[in-house]
Amino acid sequence: DTGVSQDPRHKITKRGQNVTFRCDPISEHNRLYWYRQTLGQGPEFLTYFQNEAQLEKSRLLSDRFSAERPKGSFSTLEIQRTEQGDSAMYLCASSLQGGSLNEQFFGPGTRLTVL
Amino acid sequence: DAKTTQPNSMESNEEEPVHLPCNHSTISGTDYIHWYRQLPSQGPEYVIHGLTSNVNNRMASLAIAEDRKSSTLILHRATLRDAAVYYCILSVFGNEKLTFGTGTRLTIIP
Repeated sequence: DTGVSQDPRHKITKRGQNVTFRCDPISEHNRLYWYRQTLGQGPEFLTYFQNEAQLEKSRLLSDRFSAERPKGSFSTLEIQRTEQGDSAMYLCASSLQGGSLNEQFFGPGTRLTVL
Repeated sequence: DAKTTQPNSMESNEEEPVHLPCNHSTISGTDYIHWYRQLPSQGPEYVIHGLTSNVNNRMASLAIAEDRKSSTLILHRATLRDAAVYYCILSVFGNEKLTFGTGTRLTIIP
């Protein structure tokens, strides 16, 4: 399967711990996005990269959140000192600049539960 | 970002057409209308998009009002696999961020 993959699919952690999620986009896609989705709501944009450059960050992305895409391929999203309010589904998507306008391909998500 | 308004939920019988409405009265001239859907326990998936003219693809049709203040996603023959949350999203050309609302939860009745 050559779709977007995310790891892990589920993560349970205690408040105050750090967590890191990984996203592997579709191989030829140069844009990568992170979204967060809480129960009953639509996904909320967090940040996006073009190649290794982080081009936009949402105000939702507090100082405890950091995202990287060091070689323009996979990306990581780290949350430091997790809080119960961080519990959500974290979705990654990718797209090809110049491809079908704004068609983003989403991964299955990482569900985070903070106890 | 311009706002969209969708009904919270809709029901349809299997094998019948479904018309999912979306209002976007503050749409600007450069906004494209996108539809995504999210099946249970999955990430969203692209359905269709358009600017001014009606659009068809293998999944659905998109009917856009002449004044562009509303649009309708049409599933021609609903199946149980079409049960999902459908999101109508406006996106300015070149703006890569997608702003999702709460969408319409579509239930298909066998």
